[in-house]
Amino acid sequence: EAGVAQSPRYKIIEKRQSVAFWCNPISGHATLYWYQQILGQGPKLLIQFQNNGVVDDSQLPKDRFSAERLKGVDSTLKIQPAKLEDSAVYLCASELNYQETQYFGPGTRLLVL
Amino acid sequence: AQTVTQSQPEMSVQEAETVTLSCTYDTSESDYYLFWYKQPPSRQMILVIRQEAYKQQNATENRFSVNFQKAAKSFSLKISDSQLGDAAMYFCAYRLNRDDKIIFGKGTRLHILP
Repeated sequence: EAGVAQSPRYKIIEKRQSVAFWCNPISGHATLYWYQQILGQGPKLLIQFQNNGVVDDSQLPKDRFSAERLKGVDSTLKIQPAKLEDSAVYLCASELNYQETQYFGPGTRLLVL
Repeated sequence: AQTVTQSQPEMSVQEAETVTLSCTYDTSESDYYLFWYKQPPSRQMILVIRQEAYKQQNATENRFSVNFQKAAKSFSLKISDSQLGDAAMYFCAYRLNRDDKIIFGKGTRLHILP
């Protein structure tokens, strides 16, 4: 079974630029999560999708972050404009509906200069 | 609000020895899940072990076992016969129910000494 795929693996941008991350969950997984992991901390949930609907985006900085999951499969997370404090690893995870195990992708490491 | 605390930022253990990572959590709920996740240097988070709060029996997965003390809100991970491949960040995590988000601790970096 293929795992959660993410791209790019690394990205370096300057502040105020835009950036987008892509996630392809495990086939058949209805629930998809985006996490932000700042160095030295545990992952923090940004947004949760159930199929193509948003379940929880309470911790998403909506003035600069946006996410979508078209057709309930792939998802993109965008930051516009980026700030220095956005430097982090962005993790995508997926989960088979009504299961308790989240499967994580390798993450995208973002550095904002 | 639920919180997860890992008081050991780093730990070291000799290869083949046993090590215990500590985790405490705060919740007023009675039905929840607890997890230990491993994040190797490649950064892909992997589930190590899972415990349902309603189960009194401690979960075990090969060399990994937990000591779940519900009243004390403690959930420690024991790694037996430590191997070089066990070197990673270990995150303790809590989930209220199957539809809620996971709350992670800050992690413990485990070093394995050859």
